[in-house]
Amino acid sequence: GAGVSQTPSNKVTEKGKYVELRCDPISGHTALYWYRQSLGQGPEFLIYFQGTGAADDSGLPNDRFFAVRPEGSVSTLKIQRTERGDSAVYLCASSATGWETQYFGPGTRLLVL
Amino acid sequence: EDQVTQSPEALRLQEGESSSLNCSYTVSGLRGLFWYRQDPGKGPEFLFTLYSAGEEKEKERLKATLTKKESFLHITAPKPEDSATYLCAVQAYGNNRLAFGKGNQVVVIP
Repeated sequence: GAGVSQTPSNKVTEKGKYVELRCDPISGHTALYWYRQSLGQGPEFLIYFQGTGAADDSGLPNDRFFAVRPEGSVSTLKIQRTERGDSAVYLCASSATGWETQYFGPGTRLLVL
Repeated sequence: EDQVTQSPEALRLQEGESSSLNCSYTVSGLRGLFWYRQDPGKGPEFLFTLYSAGEEKEKERLKATLTKKESFLHITAPKPEDSATYLCAVQAYGNNRLAFGKGNQVVVIP
């Protein structure tokens, strides 16, 4: 079956602009996660959704970052007033419920100029 | 705070030269330890989950083991296609997030 998909695969923006990153999880998976990976580092947790609600958003670095999952499937990560330090690969993962294996998408590579 | 340390950071192997990767962890109640493989420009690909000390899992040339403080990923007779970054992550009881190490970058030379 289809895995986790993310769009766009690459995004280049200018400092101060707003961006949206989209994640389409594996069909039927109720849990969805966002991670951020900088060069040479492991993925760093941002936020976890169970269904439509954010069950844990403790990893969001500041209030410029926001994520939604309005229908319990597709999720959008939104970044306002982007900064050069936001440049990274943003990874999305999903799992069947909450405790099972997390399966990752290919990531969105964000570059803020 | 959950912490994961992986060593060595980088490893070059001749084809057929077996080796082991180390993942040391501290976590407040381990629910599971996960190994992923990541190729350049790709997302992490799931390999194994280990739940309790003494557990072992195998897949082709890879074997993962777990103790109360660390996990090892053994690569037996590696081939060039085993070249990748191997990521270790822990999940604690009480939350669903994964805490990752920085990875072991493995290059297998033909």
